[in-house]
Amino acid sequence: KQEVTQIPAALSVPEGENLVLNCSFTDSAIYNLQWFRQDPGKGLTSLLLIQSSQREQTSGRLNASLDKSSGRSTLYIAASQPGDSATYLCAVILWSIGNEKLTFGTGTRLTIIP
Amino acid sequence: DGGITQSPKYLFRKEGQNVTLSCEQNLNHDAMYWYRQDPGQGLRLIYYSQIVNDFQKGDIAEGYSVSREKKESFPLTVTSAQKNPTAFYLCASRLGGAAEQYFGPGTRLTVT
Repeated sequence: KQEVTQIPAALSVPEGENLVLNCSFTDSAIYNLQWFRQDPGKGLTSLLLIQSSQREQTSGRLNASLDKSSGRSTLYIAASQPGDSATYLCAVILWSIGNEKLTFGTGTRLTIIP
Repeated sequence: DGGITQSPKYLFRKEGQNVTLSCEQNLNHDAMYWYRQDPGQGLRLIYYSQIVNDFQKGDIAEGYSVSREKKESFPLTVTSAQKNPTAFYLCASRLGGAAEQYFGPGTRLTVT
């Protein structure tokens, strides 16, 4: 059974700092991995999708990496801003025609201190 | 504006009543999903549908039912058989295959 872990559960950093969020998974046979952010009481917003054949994806100040062999992904946020405060979740996806399985981590709650 | 809508945002029901949560998408996505989110837990998959008129149970389907009569719509019924229905319910959709998944704004259901 796939298990996804995000450590730490909460993180506070001063504005302007670079930071890394971690996601680890137990079954390396994933199809792809997706990072999301969730603001309190809201739905999830997709940040980045990494295909299993890729090593990383970048969008603006965000960079996500994937190492399937070690079962790890990281989300790097450069020059953090107060607006980055949210909960960040990763999800690993196992997929084949007619069958799919998404497993989510429990998230890291990020607070950027002005 | 393309996206996923869920209604209502807040829903209150008495124990023993069935309730249906709405999910509509105009993204022309083939696949749609329902998740449940509880404090301190990750999202858990209730049901998903990869094509119209077909759907599969997720990890926690007991006490829930769905239908997929139209590509745009995937309503979720929370039945009286669901032991702990109070939760935040999220609907999502995907174009197909293992493409990026998009989420709606969620419905918070409270059953007393």
